[in-house]
Order: sequence, then structure tokens, then C-alpha cells
Amino acid sequence: KAGVTQTPRYLIKTRGQQVTLSCSPISGHRSVSWYQQTPGQGLQFLFEYFSETQRNKGNFPGRFSGRQFSNSRSEMNVSTLELGDSALYLCASSLGSQAGPLNEQFFGPGTRLTVL
Amino acid sequence: KNEVEQSPQNLTAQEGEFITINCSYSVGISALHWLQQHPGGGIVSLFMLSSGKKKHGRLIATINIQEKHSSLHITASHPRDSAVYICAVRFDRGSTLGRLYFGRGTQLTVWP
Repeated sequence: KAGVTQTPRYLIKTRGQQVTLSCSPISGHRSVSWYQQTPGQGLQFLFEYFSETQRNKGNFPGRFSGRQFSNSRSEMNVSTLELGDSALYLCASSLGSQAGPLNEQFFGPGTRLTVL
Repeated sequence: KNEVEQSPQNLTAQEGEFITINCSYSVGISALHWLQQHPGGGIVSLFMLSSGKKKHGRLIATINIQEKHSSLHITASHPRDSAVYICAVRFDRGSTLGRLYFGRGTQLTVWP
């Protein structure tokens, strides 16, 4: 079974631009969660999508948004990029929603975004 | 303030040594995860537990719900165990239900 894939793996953007990252979950998984990892703040939860619905959202500004398609693939978008958005963005998939019974998360390799 | 505290922040060991990494959290949880992150960023889920103890090969994870504390042990450590180990918890109530909160990680280096 193929693992979680994320594209692109590396991205360089300039301040003010917008960016879209993609995540393809493990086949059969319906939940996709997104995380931001920076040296200063560590890993932080962005949002979770389950069956095309946003189930949970972290404490990030509205510039960070996402969506999930009917095939469970998910995208996250960051508009008006700031230098502080430079980070490793990870997605993880699981069979069920995070709020439900125990569900192991499988992480993708991440997209490293650099904002200049 | 981070609701999940890990210690130590950095750990250096000689090959073969017994390793312990600790994680404590502030309120009730529904699940605790131990994750391993290698250079380059890839994260692997090692354990997910809500009570007791789990073992996988040389790795053992324990959790004490009353004391709000978990430990990850590595027996007979090996240089390939060198990685960042991250504790993450899922709180069991309120608006944070379902979200994962992460510790800052423990950088483990095992020398041959």
C-alpha cells in the first residue's frame, strides 16, 4: 500500500505570494490533518479534514486555509506569504476522524516552504 | 506555555545503553503518541497508547494516566536510533477535542 505523499517536496516563494500544497492520503483513509513545523514553535496543528469537512482548526490566521476532495486528497493554501511562514508542512492521514476512537496517524514526508 | 513537556531536550548515549525519554502533560487525554523524526523531516508513528504499556522490538512505551506521564524506553540503543523523538497528546475535552498537541522533542544521538 502506498504511503502518504505530498507535493511539492520543496518550494521557494517570495513575500506576498500565495502557495498551494497537496497531500494524497493512504488509500481508504478519510482523515487528513495538516501540521506546521518550525524551529521556534515546533510542531503545531493547522486543521483536520474528514469526508470533505473541516473538523478542527488550530490557532492560525485566516491566510491558512484548506480543503478536501471527494477522493480524500487534500490541499492547503497560504495566501499573502510572510517570512514567518517558512516551515516544514506535514500532512498525516488516518482511517477515522481524530476526534473519534484511537486512530493512528501516518505522516507524509512534508513540504519544505521557504519564503524570501 | 506548552501543555506537553518533554525531557531531556538533548540526549547523547553510547551504543548499547538504555535510553529513557519522558513526557508529561497538563490535563486529561484520550491518547498519547510517540513519534520519531529523522533528519530530512519524515515522521514515523512509533506508539499510540491510552493506558499501560506497549512494546515493539527494542522500544517500550508506558503511560501513567493518574500521574499524567509517559516514558519511551530504548533498550540496547544503536546509532540508527539517532533521531528526534516527539511526544504528542490528544486532549479529551472541550474545544481542543481531537487536536494533537506536541512536545518540543528530544534529540537523541547514539555514538558507536
